[in-house]
Amino acid sequence: GAGVSQTPSNKVTEKGKYVELRCDPISGHTALYWYRQSLGQGPEFLIYFQGTGAADDSGLPNDRFFAVRPEGSVSTLKIQRTERGDSAVYLCASSLEQGFHEQFFGPGTRLTVL
Amino acid sequence: AQSVTQPDIHITVSEGASLELRCNYSYGATPYLFWYVQSPGQGLQLLLKYFSGDTLVQGIKGFEAEFKRSQSSFNLRKPSVHWSDAAEYFCAVGGIYNQGGKLIFGQGTELSVKP
Repeated sequence: GAGVSQTPSNKVTEKGKYVELRCDPISGHTALYWYRQSLGQGPEFLIYFQGTGAADDSGLPNDRFFAVRPEGSVSTLKIQRTERGDSAVYLCASSLEQGFHEQFFGPGTRLTVL
Repeated sequence: AQSVTQPDIHITVSEGASLELRCNYSYGATPYLFWYVQSPGQGLQLLLKYFSGDTLVQGIKGFEAEFKRSQSSFNLRKPSVHWSDAAEYFCAVGGIYNQGGKLIFGQGTELSVKP
């Protein structure tokens, strides 16, 4: 079956612009996670959804970052007024339900802010 | 705060040699422990996980890991490395009280394999 997909695979933008990153989880997975991976680092948690609601958004770095999952499936991570420090690979993962099931990761979106 | 430490940033081993990648975690109780592998251009793939029970866990691709509570460690091992094992390896903890299903990752160990 299809795994987690993320679009676009690469995104180059200019400082100050707005970007949206999309994640399509595995069908039937109710939990969805966003992580950010900077060069040479491990992934850092941003936010996770259980169904449509954000159960934990404690990892979002500031209010320029926002994520939605309106129908409990596809999720969009939105970044306003991008800064060069936002450049990273943004990873999405999904799991069957909240808790300690295996998280299946997508290939990521590489965001470059010039 | 909970944390994961992978002391070795980069390791080089010869093909056919044994491998051990170190992972230490900081958490008051027993967390859930994971090892993921990330190949260039690929997503993170789960190698193995420890939730409870037998402290020696077997994973895919011939990997195993041993949970040692007394040392707060969860080291990854493989008896004979193949060239295709060259990748980045991440240790992660989850199941932290009141923090849902999020994972906390170490900074990773890059494995190179010499022919």
